[in-house]
Amino acid sequence: KAGVTQTPRYLIKTRGQQVTLSCSPISGHRSVSWYQQTPGQGLQFLFEYFSETQRNKGNFPGRFSGRQFSNSRSEMNVSTLELGDSALYLCASRRRENTEAFFGQGTRLTVV
Amino acid sequence: TQLLEQSPQFLSIQEGENLTVYCNSSSVFSSLQWYRQEPGEGPVLLVTVVTGGEVKKLKRLTFQFGDARKDSSLHITAAQPGDTGLYLCAGPPAGSYQLTFGKGTKLSVIP
Repeated sequence: KAGVTQTPRYLIKTRGQQVTLSCSPISGHRSVSWYQQTPGQGLQFLFEYFSETQRNKGNFPGRFSGRQFSNSRSEMNVSTLELGDSALYLCASRRRENTEAFFGQGTRLTVV
Repeated sequence: TQLLEQSPQFLSIQEGENLTVYCNSSSVFSSLQWYRQEPGEGPVLLVTVVTGGEVKKLKRLTFQFGDARKDSSLHITAAQPGDTGLYLCAGPPAGSYQLTFGKGTKLSVIP
């Protein structure tokens, strides 16, 4: 059974640009969550989608947005990139509420 | 305020030593998961503990969930360099489905 797939693995962008990251969850999983991980802050929750609906949102500015499609695949978008957005972005999928989360390998975003 | 506090933050030990890392909260959790993460990779799920007082073993790793379901520990026997990584605990507080993570314990096992 395929795991969580995130694309791309690495990305370099310039300040002010926008970026879209993609996540394909494990087959049969309906929940997708996104996290930002930096050395100083650890794993910070961005948002969670369940059956195409955003269930929860973390404390991030409106430049961070996401969506989930009917096949459970999810995308995350960051507009007007800032240097501080450089981080490892992780996607996790769960079969349903209150079940274990399985992570993808992450997308390493570098903003220059 | 961090809902899940992990200690120690950093741990550097020699190969063959034993160690314990802790995950504590003032809140009750429905379950707790432990993950290990290597640099530049996503966290990998090691175990889930659900019942208060539960003990699970995974080879040289022993996981325990506190009786009150507010804390957990991970004990590694005879640590090996392959155990090096960031150990994260996570779980949904009781009554919530939202996963919350600790900041992790960064373990280095020196050959």
